Amino acid sequence: LAKTTQPISMDSYEGQEVNITCSHNNIATNDYITWYQQFPSQGPRFIIQGYKTKVTNEVASLFIPADRKSSTLSLPRVSLSDTAVYYCLVGEGTSGTYKYIFGTGTRLKVLA
Amino acid sequence: GAVVSQHPSRVICKSGTSVKIECRSLDFQATTMFWYRQFPKQSLMLMATSNEGSKATYEQGVEKDKFLINHASLTLSTLTVTSAHPEDSSFYICSSDPPGDTDTQYFGPGTRLTVL
Repeated sequence: LAKTTQPISMDSYEGQEVNITCSHNNIATNDYITWYQQFPSQGPRFIIQGYKTKVTNEVASLFIPADRKSSTLSLPRVSLSDTAVYYCLVGEGTSGTYKYIFGTGTRLKVLA
Repeated sequence: GAVVSQHPSRVICKSGTSVKIECRSLDFQATTMFWYRQFPKQSLMLMATSNEGSKATYEQGVEKDKFLINHASLTLSTLTVTSAHPEDSSFYICSSDPPGDTDTQYFGPGTRLTVL
């Protein structure tokens, strides 16, 4: 079973900010939280990673509360090309032997 | 980020034949690589963990004799689908995490396998 839970789908309009929240109640002390974007017939693409508090890069922000049991991916001013599936992942296993078990992901549809 | 490639990008084969898919880490050495399978409209399913110089670790329910994994060098892992059948048609994706990184996996572009 995946360690993460996300909404299965979301719709948004171009230019809006989109926030996707992921639950990971059983996250381990040494686990990082990583978000990926996947387009049809492509491999997942790394978006952002964080451990605690807030991380921002050129494409997204990641908010992680103090208890780390959830995280929120924020996409500012989405465009039609942001329509994709977004996965939140935390590792399973100990460092050096960890693996990813994918959950459902969130299918984001951006409308004109 | 790190670059992972796959070859071929798509392959069509007849039922009963074997197909080999290659996964390469282009700019780092990968002691561990992961193989996933993805059916249409579904999430990625981890099949196995490929370990350089040792046997792969398969997830529960994945037949190791059907999905042969070889990780003979620090930059190459191969997945061979033996005696392929139409139900093996899927999108196969590999990934790896560069050493020293924060457990971040980088994924290949995927291989579309169609078994006729």
